Amino acid sequence: EIVLTQSPDFQSVTPKEKVTITCRASQSIGSSLHWYQQKPDQSPKLLIRYASQSFSGVPSRFSGSGSGTDFTLTINSLETEDAATYYCHQSSGLPRTFGQGTKVEIK
Amino acid sequence: QVQLQQWGAGLLKPSETLSLTCAVDGGSVSGYYWSWIRQPPGKGLEWIGEINHTGSTNFNPSLKSRVSMSVDTSKNQFSLKLTSVTAADTAVYYCARGFGMDVWGKGTTVTVSS
Repeated sequence: EIVLTQSPDFQSVTPKEKVTITCRASQSIGSSLHWYQQKPDQSPKLLIRYASQSFSGVPSRFSGSGSGTDFTLTINSLETEDAATYYCHQSSGLPRTFGQGTKVEIK
Repeated sequence: QVQLQQWGAGLLKPSETLSLTCAVDGGSVSGYYWSWIRQPPGKGLEWIGEINHTGSTNFNPSLKSRVSMSVDTSKNQFSLKLTSVTAADTAVYYCARGFGMDVWGKGTTVTVSS
């Protein structure tokens, strides 16, 4: 099983600050890494697929990078509506797996 | 715009079978893999398994002995069954499309309690 480890687990950030979340895979997964945003009592929403492809309708302040085992989700100029938990997910191997999540709180 | 409408029983007793269905509105089940994911209260996301329009499936080994999935192309629906449920199966269950899961259902809360 491919284990995805996100860091940090929690981040408290002021608006307009830059946020960086990392996801490390236990083995190489190429670019088969996706990022989701989940707000309380809502379904997860796709932000970035295949490491760096922005999903339609996602604000341009969200971007992704990386390949192999190390990936990054960046939120430039954080807005209050970005308070949420962020998950990475890999579709390279079976079973598909998710990171443990990173909760972003607005100060 | 494709939407996923999901439904199923929300309250089960231990040892019963969980049964959920997800309908694809505004699109077709063909051409994609369709997943089930669950989220226990206050916890992260767990992938249960996936199925495509031919009925080809992949399951999480941790649940494989209790999980089955089916697809009905005539109704544009796919379904999940999980047998012998326990309290540990209490969660919100989601259906979703594709590998970078771009469309999600709204979730069904399933509670297992005697």
